[in-house]
Amino acid sequence: DQQVKQNSPSLSVQEGRISILNCDYTNSMFDYFLWYKKYPAEGPTFLISISSIKDKNEDGRFTVFLNKSAKHLSLHIVPSQPGDSAVYFCAATLQGGSEKLVFGKGTKLTVNP
Amino acid sequence: DTAVSQTPKYLVTQMGNDKSIKCEQNLGHDTMYWYKQDSKKFLKIMFSYNNKELIINETVPNRFSPKSPDKAHLNLHINSLELGDSAVYFCASSRLAGDGEQYFGPGTRLTVT
Repeated sequence: DQQVKQNSPSLSVQEGRISILNCDYTNSMFDYFLWYKKYPAEGPTFLISISSIKDKNEDGRFTVFLNKSAKHLSLHIVPSQPGDSAVYFCAATLQGGSEKLVFGKGTKLTVNP
Repeated sequence: DTAVSQTPKYLVTQMGNDKSIKCEQNLGHDTMYWYKQDSKKFLKIMFSYNNKELIINETVPNRFSPKSPDKAHLNLHINSLELGDSAVYFCASSRLAGDGEQYFGPGTRLTVT
């Protein structure tokens, strides 16, 4: 049972344009959401997070939007750079406990020069 | 200085063998994790230890046994390896239990033949 879904396995954008990666979740108990970035042959690295009390969190070129009613979040990268080419994982958890992170399957982003 | 390290990076072995993967973190974190990324690319938690105590134990065959000799180390021992154990295993750590911001090792690609 996939509680976190990333329905687009891949996305290709031009350098300088916006990349939008989407994620849906089914468990309404989740209250903390994260994005991880993974390069080949490396482990995932934390990118940005958002708590359910917010609907937007921004860090430089990266912005995460959360729509709780739709159980949907998205990661916007503006402007996209070739170095952003990686697999992006969405993850969700319950904050404040020892709850596990539940990951989506990932979306492979390719930014073309 | 590597924050979370795993050895070996690659492991090829035959069915029925017993093998271990080692993990060390030098971040001073309290909590460590083992994840499995299977052929379908799902990243799933297997175990979590907080200050050497097991706090998350997902539905994993008891052929898998984690061991945490101290807060900085979490090793994974696998008995009687099966073909389905072939995957990439990631170790991770976080400052506190349930902290979504986790630091991952580079992964160990296990191939069982």
